[in-house]
Amino acid sequence: DAKTTQPTSMDCAEGRAANLPCNHSTISGNEYVYWYRQIHSQGPQYIIHGLKNNETNEMASLIITEDRKSSTLILPHATLRDTAVYYCIVKAPTSGSRLTFGEGTQLTVNP
Amino acid sequence: ETGVTQTPRHLVMGMTNKKSLKCEQHLGHNAMYWYKQSAKKPLELMFVYSLEERVENNSVPSRFSPECPNSSHLFLHLHTLQPEDSALYLCASSHRQASGETQYFGPGTRLLVL
Repeated sequence: DAKTTQPTSMDCAEGRAANLPCNHSTISGNEYVYWYRQIHSQGPQYIIHGLKNNETNEMASLIITEDRKSSTLILPHATLRDTAVYYCIVKAPTSGSRLTFGEGTQLTVNP
Repeated sequence: ETGVTQTPRHLVMGMTNKKSLKCEQHLGHNAMYWYKQSAKKPLELMFVYSLEERVENNSVPSRFSPECPNSSHLFLHLHTLQPEDSALYLCASSHRQASGETQYFGPGTRLLVL
């Protein structure tokens, strides 16, 4: 599975959009981009995933560049409860079960 | 609530004790996982069960013994643990399919080994 690179930490003002970047320059054609988050001392929570097209659900939007070498997770109106570590994971359907969690981005939403 | 429950939520045990962690999923999934998260470290995959058969074991010490009696339940039996085994143990489940899978995690069991 391709390696991902994320900033260590980011800050965002409450009510503003939070844009979390992820680089995955070695991504292969069949690899999906997944985003999870982990609020302190809780289990990781699935947010969204995509292959080529931009995706949106009730939690967030995922923007994938045309060359698929990077993506951005957008939380449109961040709240204090969105403070968490956000993980970008690239995984192929045929690569087995492993979700490789890196260091992620610590997002802090400030009042 | 993710549909994956874990008990107990907190556990303190001595190195000579035997205890078990329980995970239950109510999502109709066909795969279940155990992960370990030590302080300030990324999650590490320990075991994977698919259709109740263990399909992956990432060189976990034998003092950790998993059991998957059916597709909804997963156990992690613990015996003669070491203090360095203190960590957050997370269970997850998914529906394995060719187009990819999303894993849903339980709240975890916080384990302290004295």
